[in-house]
Amino acid sequence: EIVLTQSPGTLSLSPGDRATLSCRASQSVSSNYIAWYQQTPGQAPSLLIYGASSRATGIPDRFTGSASGTDFTLTISRLEPEDFAVYYCQQYGSSPYTFGQGTKLEIK
Amino acid sequence: QLQLQESGPGLVKPSETLSLTCNVSGGFISSSSHYWGWIRQPPGKGLEWIGSIYYSGITYYNPSLKSRITISVDTSKKQFSLRLGSVTAADTATYYCGRDTFGAYDYWGQGIRVTVSS
Repeated sequence: EIVLTQSPGTLSLSPGDRATLSCRASQSVSSNYIAWYQQTPGQAPSLLIYGASSRATGIPDRFTGSASGTDFTLTISRLEPEDFAVYYCQQYGSSPYTFGQGTKLEIK
Repeated sequence: QLQLQESGPGLVKPSETLSLTCNVSGGFISSSSHYWGWIRQPPGKGLEWIGSIYYSGITYYNPSLKSRITISVDTSKKQFSLRLGSVTAADTATYYCGRDTFGAYDYWGQGIRVTVSS
């Protein structure tokens, strides 16, 4: 199965900053089938990005996904207070689908 | 607006079977473009994909759980279900149902916390 490794584990930034979250796959992900989710405490995850770079419905354009080989990146251009949460990447290019361990984005 | 809602017992005894149901409203469970699936999250930990089902009954499961799980669908009731057998404390988690759109989960239920304990 494909292992996804997210870094950093915790990212401490301030509102207005730019956040860069990384997700590295242990092998090639078919068709760059990578999704990114945001999870706030006590809530279900919500889809931000699919296909490595396509924003889900209603997701603001400050969220950008990109891919380079087996490295995938989620960039949040200008952090809003509601963006501080845990972010997970997921690969769905091959079964079993797998998730990264998560990056916690916290207020500095 | 599509909504999903999990239901089932919050407490299951070790070695017994965990049974959950997900009710789908505001959309078509018989959509040709979507699967329906289950994901779980142990307390304080990350996400684990359990498996998915198509409205026709085609399933695919996480091999790590395959021997213990059954996912079924009842289109007339607009619901799908998860059965996980021989549970242990390691199965304690929040279980989410969701809509699987080519593998990405674009709609989620609110989740149901299930504790395995005697």
